[in-house]
Amino acid sequence: SAVISQKPSRDICQRGTSLTIQCQVDSQVTMMFWYRQQPGQSLTLIATANQGSEATYESGFVIDKFPISRPNLTFSTLTVSNLSPEDSSIYLCSVEVQAAGNTIYFGEGSWLTVV
Amino acid sequence: AQRVTQPEKLLSVFKGAPVELKCNYSYSGSPELFWYVQYSRQRLQLLLRHISRESIKGFTADLNKGETSFHLKKPFAQEEDSAMYYCALKRFNKFYFGSGTKLNVKP
Repeated sequence: SAVISQKPSRDICQRGTSLTIQCQVDSQVTMMFWYRQQPGQSLTLIATANQGSEATYESGFVIDKFPISRPNLTFSTLTVSNLSPEDSSIYLCSVEVQAAGNTIYFGEGSWLTVV
Repeated sequence: AQRVTQPEKLLSVFKGAPVELKCNYSYSGSPELFWYVQYSRQRLQLLLRHISRESIKGFTADLNKGETSFHLKKPFAQEEDSAMYYCALKRFNKFYFGSGTKLNVKP
């Protein structure tokens, strides 16, 4: 398995500002992903964080709103820009562990509330 | 496009009763399917995957390609099974999740 640490675990932000979420893994992983879980809803994939290149975004998500960095194989950040109340959600980092049969593991999530 | 459907938002059963959480998928290729569970105040974690054909915590799930289903079953539910359960489909290294079913096991 992999130990995944996300920071912050919870934050309250003013609309119009930005929040950067960090994801740290205790081992090198090839695949890292960012998900969003809005209240009462399922997980939606935002993007795949690619090491050394631009992230790959899913339909409905754009780089200007959700810039992602992946400087190495153990770390990634997701920024949620120009916040609005609709961005209030849990943001989850996940990694795929090849040694575990390509299973994905999740961080504890970052709970964002926009006021 | 791939899609995972969990028709039940909430499922309540009594302790010791059988439980079945439904999952249907739509995908034209060979699916790789998983069940994830989230206990109260804990992170999402893998419960089982169809290619392993394993039983975890008494739960099993069989892939039925004819019915495009991957239902999760347990013959005798326990109170500690109360949690959110998500069915997920993996395609090209990406996971797509159903909307989840909350299982409530009553004493």
